[in-house]
Amino acid sequence: DIVLTQSPALAVSLGQRATISCKTNQNVDYYGNSYMHWYQQKPGQQPKLLIYLASNLASGIPARFSGRGSGTDFTLTIDPVEADDTATYYCQQSRNLRTFGGGTKLELK
Amino acid sequence: EVQLVESGGGLVQPGRSLKLSCVASGFTFNNYWMTWIRQAPGKGLEWVASITNTGGSTYYPDSVKGRFTISRDNAKSTLYLQMNSLRSEDTATYYCTRDSWDFDYWGQGVMVTVSS
Repeated sequence: DIVLTQSPALAVSLGQRATISCKTNQNVDYYGNSYMHWYQQKPGQQPKLLIYLASNLASGIPARFSGRGSGTDFTLTIDPVEADDTATYYCQQSRNLRTFGGGTKLELK
Repeated sequence: EVQLVESGGGLVQPGRSLKLSCVASGFTFNNYWMTWIRQAPGKGLEWVASITNTGGSTYYPDSVKGRFTISRDNAKSTLYLQMNSLRSEDTATYYCTRDSWDFDYWGQGVMVTVSS
């Protein structure tokens, strides 16, 4: 099984950069693509896709969000952070079946 | 507009069964894999089951393998999750998702509570 590890929480100030990491215990790259995706979930709502295949912005997502990484190390960056970005962020791999990271709760300082 | 609407949740006793449904619209259902994902109260997301676009193959994590069965009726654009031998740890909100390697569309979710 591919295990995804995220830090539980992160606190940043408005207007600053937030960097959320996701590390896997196996390579999730395959034929030139990294099968890593990112989601945002606010309380009481279903998750929303932000980034697919490590670095591609999903439809309707502002350019403040970006993703990068390959192999076993990935990051989601929000720059600049806005008040509406307080939420829990999940990474998810689809290289081998499907698994999620434990989520990172983003809070404002 | 893509829509996924789940139904069938509720309160069920341990050991009993429940069947969830998800009606899809706004896209060509038989072109896509579909996946169920759940979230226990206050917890993270957990992959539950996936099915290929034809229904020919299904995939499960060990936590539900042998107890849950995912299926689909492409003529009705409907996804199902048959849940047997339910346990208290199956208590969660269950989401129906369109699976394009990522989960680009999600339903609103349906709550399943397993309790005596």
